[in-house]
Parts: sequence; structure tokens; C-alpha cells
Amino acid sequence: DIQMTQSPSTLSASVGDSVTITCRASQSITSYLAWYQQKPGKAPKLLIFKASTLERGVPSRFSGSGSGTEFTLSIGSLQPDDFATYYCQQYNSYPWTFGQGTKVEIK
Amino acid sequence: EVQLVESGGGLIKPGGSLRLSCAASGFTFSHAWMSWVRQAPGKGLEWVAQIGSTTDGGTIDYAAPVKGRFTISRDDSKNTLYLQIHNLKTEDSAVYYCASDSMVRGVLDYWGQGTLVTVSS
Repeated sequence: DIQMTQSPSTLSASVGDSVTITCRASQSITSYLAWYQQKPGKAPKLLIFKASTLERGVPSRFSGSGSGTEFTLSIGSLQPDDFATYYCQQYNSYPWTFGQGTKVEIK
Repeated sequence: EVQLVESGGGLIKPGGSLRLSCAASGFTFSHAWMSWVRQAPGKGLEWVAQIGSTTDGGTIDYAAPVKGRFTISRDDSKNTLYLQIHNLKTEDSAVYYCASDSMVRGVLDYWGQGTLVTVSS
């Protein structure tokens, strides 16, 4: 199975800050990587797929990059609605696997 | 508006069985690939199973921990996805989400609100 490792596990930031989350795959997944946002008690929401393609309706302050084994999710100018947990997920091969999550909390 | 509504969760004793359902609306269910993803309390997301569209052959894949105990199926006439679970274990306790790949892009673009399964004696 492909292991997905996110860093950091927790990130403290303020409204207006720019933040970056890293996701590493244990083997190449080319660009088959998605990012999801999850708020407490809610279902995850798709933000980005194919490593860098923004899902419809997702604000442009979210961006993704990377290929192969290293990927990043960047959020420019954090908004109050962005404080949540973020997960990466590879869909290069089954079983699909998620990173352990990165919680973005208010500093 | 896309809606995925799960049902069927509850408190079950170890070794028991359960069938989860997910009623879909707002998109062409028969064309969508569908998955179940679970989340144990306070933990991360774990993909459980996927079923392809019937027109794509209905391909099925399972995560290793559930293979042989879980069965995913779909009824396109009812726009409903199912997950039959046998021989439940305490480690199966989780919120089970139904999720769609409505445009067959390989990602989960719509999610239900989840149904809680608690396995305890």
C-alpha cells in the first residue's frame, strides 16, 4: 500500500497568514493526489484534485502543487472559515490512502 | 442539488452484521463510481470500498482490513449504494461516509453526512 505522510500534524496561524501543508507519498503517484478539508462533525469537502486543479467553487486562495512523491497545499491569506483539518489522498492505485491529517488552528 | 443520505448505523455487538444504505440524488447515479470511507472517533479518514458504474463493469475494490467481511453493492433503479458488513469487530466502530466520484475523475466530489456504527458488547 502507498503510505501518505503529512506535515505538520498541527499548524497554528492567524487570520491573514499564508500557510503550507506538505504531503509525501511512499512511492510515486504521478499527479493523482487530492486535498480535502474537514470541519468538526462534518463530511470532508474536495478542494483540489490532480495535485493542482481547483474544484469548482473553491476559493482561489487555495492552491496545490507537486508531482511524484512530494506535494503541497497552500492557503494564501487564511480566512476564519479555513480553520479545519486537511487531508491529502492518493488515487494512483488501490487501496486509496489518506494522509493522517493536518489541523489548522487559530493562533 | 446533490444529496447523499446514509442510514443503517447503530450499536451492534461484536460478530454481528449490518447493512448501510446511501440514497443519492441530484446527479446521474448510474454513471458515478461510489465509495465508502470511514472515520473512527478522533481519527483520520480510511477508504473502505469502491464500486464502479454498471456501464464501466461495476468494478469493486476493498481495503485489506475489510476484504471478505464487507460487501459493497448498488441498485441503480433505486439510486442507492449499500455496504453489507459481517462479523463486526470493535475496530470497525466509525462514522461511515458514502461518497461519489460523479464525474469519474478518480476523486470523491460529494459526501454524505455519515452514519455512526458502534461495535461494542
